[in-house]
This record gives sequence, C-alpha cells and structure tokens, in this order.
Amino acid sequence: QLVESGGGLVQPGGSLRLSCAASGFTFDRYWMSWVRQAPGKGLEWVANIRQNGSDQYYVDSVKGRFTISRDNAMNLLYLQMNSLRVEDTAVYYCARVSFTSFNPWGQGTLVTVSS
Amino acid sequence: IVLTQSPLSLAVSLGQPASISCRSGQSLVHSDGNTYLSWFHQRPGQSPRRLIYMVSERDSGVPDRFSGSGSGTEFTLKISRVEAEDVGLYYCMQGTRWPPYTFGQGTKLEIK
Repeated sequence: QLVESGGGLVQPGGSLRLSCAASGFTFDRYWMSWVRQAPGKGLEWVANIRQNGSDQYYVDSVKGRFTISRDNAMNLLYLQMNSLRVEDTAVYYCARVSFTSFNPWGQGTLVTVSS
Repeated sequence: IVLTQSPLSLAVSLGQPASISCRSGQSLVHSDGNTYLSWFHQRPGQSPRRLIYMVSERDSGVPDRFSGSGSGTEFTLKISRVEAEDVGLYYCMQGTRWPPYTFGQGTKLEIK
C-alpha cells in the first residue's frame, strides 16, 4: 500500500514536500517513482529513485527544481518541489516500479499552484 | 518515445468486445529482448491500476477478459466482454527507453 501526503495550495515560486508511506512490501528492494496528472489531463512520469537512493532521474520539466529522495528505514518516499509553477498543478501519485512499469499506485495528493 | 492511442474514445454495449490500439514512434524491444509496454485503467476519481505489463502479462487480480498483444511498435488491449466496471480511461505506457517513461494520451471507454 502507498499513501501520499503533503499536497496543498502554494503560490508560484513556492515550495512543497510530498511524502509517500509504503507498507506491505520490502520497500528497499524496489525503485520508486512519482507520476503526476494535471486536472483533466493524462499521466506524466516525474521522477525515479533507485533502491538505495544512489540514482535519481527526472523529466526535463522538473530538473533542477524537484528532488526525489527516500528513507528506507522509515519506508518513506519524498518529493521536494521548489520554484513551483502554475503548470505543476496536478495530482501527484507515488508508485512502485515493477517490470519497468508502475504497480501499485497510491491514491494521490493534489498540488495546486496559484496566486 | 511518443505513444499514440486510438481511438481516443469509444462507446461499447455491455457484453460486447472492445479494442484499443497503442502505436509507438520507435520499437519498444529492449536490448534484453523484452518489450516493456504496459496498460493501465483509471476509473473516474481513482488512481490508475495496472492491468498488463510486458505486452501480455496480466497482473494479479485482473479479470481474464483483459488481454494484451502486439510487438515492435504496435500493441493492442482487448476486452472480450465489456462490463459496467470497465468504464474509465485506459493508458498505454512504455518503460523500454527511459528516462522519460511515456504514456499514451488515454482512451475513454463508455457504455453505450
């Protein structure tokens, strides 16, 4: 099970940190991801992190602004989002990487960037 | 890699079959010989759920009326007999060449 938290309303240029609590599987054995969905739009992969946190990958639009990290001792995944833009408004899902795909997904947390 | 789904919407009567196509701009065959093409279903107001991975492997708990097929650049999701719970959006996704992982635009399934 994956449960996200930390979403909310933030002004453009602001920051927010999302968390994802994992349970029911051995967290440190899996790559983890964040995927987002803007209102009424499709799915967009945001970031990946290796099991031990040593490697992270990002979609170009968030590079230099977002940071994915994890705490394997606490079974937590994070997404630190800085310099937020209106176009970052979306539901953010955490997901476990399985067979270079995503399964399962959390319920999502809504981030709204607006003045 | 751009994935193009068709149709973007379809209306199907209960008990009838449905088919969704996903075309890739490049071959999705990985250097390890596998093809990492997945299908997801998203009901209104819910998070996505994976149905199929590696073209044709059905996830645990997914009804056998769902099947995936294809190779190279052309892939298909088929529902043998549509049920009311199958409404929603369907997305294909490639994990062969990442970053980035990419998704199709989505196909909306409605009951006629």
